[in-house]
Amino acid sequence: GQNIDQPTEMTATEGAIVQINCTYQTSGFNGLFWYQQHAGEAPTFLSYNVLDGLEEKGRFSSFLSRSKGYSYLLLKELQMKDSASYLCAGMDSNYQLIWGAGTKLIIKP
Amino acid sequence: GAVVSQHPSWVICKSGTSVKIECRSLDFQATTMFWYRQFPKQSLMLMATSNEGSKATYEQGVEKDKFLINHASLTLSTLTVTSAHPEDSSFYICSARDIQREYNEQFFGPGTRLTVL
Repeated sequence: GQNIDQPTEMTATEGAIVQINCTYQTSGFNGLFWYQQHAGEAPTFLSYNVLDGLEEKGRFSSFLSRSKGYSYLLLKELQMKDSASYLCAGMDSNYQLIWGAGTKLIIKP
Repeated sequence: GAVVSQHPSWVICKSGTSVKIECRSLDFQATTMFWYRQFPKQSLMLMATSNEGSKATYEQGVEKDKFLINHASLTLSTLTVTSAHPEDSSFYICSARDIQREYNEQFFGPGTRLTVL
């Protein structure tokens, strides 16, 4: 079956670094996406990885290991506005997104 | 670029009535649009995949006669919740895939919050 696993909730301190992990099992693989979703709003695209390695985009970086079925999203210099849910989604061979339940990130001052 | 709009943003209706939600890709053509439902504190649940000019593909457990989807053009898909009941109250979100983009990512509309009394 297809499955995405990520922690339910994480807490971090403003200015610090946090890593949100995601493991995936999909039928075929066409990439791994990370989306950010603030409460009551629709998700917004953060990153996409299809090759092994780290993709850096400002304060956010995303890593992929296809052999391990593993990805992480790294957030640096955390700001209060980063408090949100972070959704991991794997794209299967039919280009369908398989969604994780999301990780609620709580930032404390 | 890649803006998706949804209308209405929120709607309150009486039980038994039908509600239509529109999803538009404003600056790109979307051959494929997706309809999701999200209950509070839960993840996105894909309801159906809508392809322009053909019938929608519904996920298991989603009633096609209750959730009517029409994708009549490359920029518009509609979801009609027929004979809505309180258990249909949810956050409905559409997304569209821009096939011109490298990543095949989905761009989401702002969502429609439906409350059925």
